[in-house]
Amino acid sequence: ETGVTQSPTHLIKTRGQQVTLRCSSQSGHNTVSWYQQALGQGPQFIFQYYREEENGRGNFPPRFSGLQFPNYSSELNVNALELDDSALYLCASSPGQLTDTQYFGPGTRLTVL
Amino acid sequence: AQSVTQLGSHVSVSEGALVLLRCNYSSSVPPYLFWYVQYPNQGLQLLLKYTSAATLVKGINGFEAEFKKSETSFHLTKPSAHMSDAAEYFCAVSRTSSSASKIIFGSGTRLSIRP
Repeated sequence: ETGVTQSPTHLIKTRGQQVTLRCSSQSGHNTVSWYQQALGQGPQFIFQYYREEENGRGNFPPRFSGLQFPNYSSELNVNALELDDSALYLCASSPGQLTDTQYFGPGTRLTVL
Repeated sequence: AQSVTQLGSHVSVSEGALVLLRCNYSSSVPPYLFWYVQYPNQGLQLLLKYTSAATLVKGINGFEAEFKKSETSFHLTKPSAHMSDAAEYFCAVSRTSSSASKIIFGSGTRLSIRP
């Protein structure tokens, strides 16, 4: 059974640029959630996708957007990058939209200069 | 609204000593509670979860947590610390709406182990 994978591992961007982060769900999981973890803090919920539709969103601006594909892999897109977007971005998958247990990937470390 | 509070941002214990990481929750309904561990430069690994089946929950790596409704607590313990336990630990609660389930994390406790 393959766990949650994310790419790339590290990324450096400059202010104003756009970035796309990718996530492959654990086998059999149809729900993906994205979290932002700033340095020294706990992860914060960005949004959740279930069967290619966004079905829940945290307190993040619209420049944070996502996609989920038919194979349940997912992308997180961030436009107009700001310095405060520097963080570890975590993807988590679960076997259902209302399933409480989520399984996390290793994360993508984004640095915005 | 559901939330968790972790008491102590940094805990240091000697190898072989008891580990106690504190977490209090706030929830108007019976919560689903979790402890996750994060090793340096890695993602989150689920240690254990409480789903109301039993108040004492056993997890991986010798950790366990006890749900105490009267104290609104879900503290994490391990009888004997190992050097490999050094990591960041997050207490979390699940918040489920009619359409989605998200996890609300505490601010984390860094566990250091002294030789």
